[in-house]
Amino acid sequence: KNQVEQSPQSLIILEGKNCTLQCNYTVSPFSNLRWYKQDTGRGPVSLTIMTFSENTKSNGRYTATLDADTKQSSLHITASQLSDSASYICVVTPANQAGTALIFGKGTTLSVSS
Amino acid sequence: TAGITQAPTSQILAAGRSMTLRCTQDMRHNAMYWYRQDLGLGLRLIHYSNTAGTTGKGEVPDGYSVSRANTDDFPLTLASAVPSQTSVYFCASSDRADEQFFGPGTRLTVL
Repeated sequence: KNQVEQSPQSLIILEGKNCTLQCNYTVSPFSNLRWYKQDTGRGPVSLTIMTFSENTKSNGRYTATLDADTKQSSLHITASQLSDSASYICVVTPANQAGTALIFGKGTTLSVSS
Repeated sequence: TAGITQAPTSQILAAGRSMTLRCTQDMRHNAMYWYRQDLGLGLRLIHYSNTAGTTGKGEVPDGYSVSRANTDDFPLTLASAVPSQTSVYFCASSDRADEQFFGPGTRLTVL
């Protein structure tokens, strides 16, 4: 069964610190992996997207990595800010599938404190 | 550009009553989706529409219906609400299979 597992479930860090969120998936083959950020009370917004052939993608202080061999992805946040407090969702698109087949992780809730 | 709008923002509904959640997009995307998001379960697909005039069932369609009379609108109807339908509902649209744009959500409480 295609699954996307994220860890940790929640995380608390101090402002200015770095952190790494993990995403393990069993979806195979897949066409791309995307990280979404969801602020409290808002809809998810795309942060990065990587195809199966890409290893890394950056968006400002956010850097996503992908290891297709081990089926693992990570999202690294550098010099965290209070505004980074949100839920981060890993989403995998199976190959040759329509948008109805997206596999969502349950998300990691990040809290950045001052 | 507004993107995707949803209405209402929140609603408290008595069990057994019907309700329609509205979703409108101005990006001319062909595909639209309805998800529910529950604590600990993540986003689950309820119904979808690949193009105007067509709809399909997602992972959790029971108790919900949709219609797609035109490209911009994709309403979700609960014919007879039950407490288990208490959730946050997100509408999304896409012009490609993988990049979905989400609305702000509707928080529904069924008592």
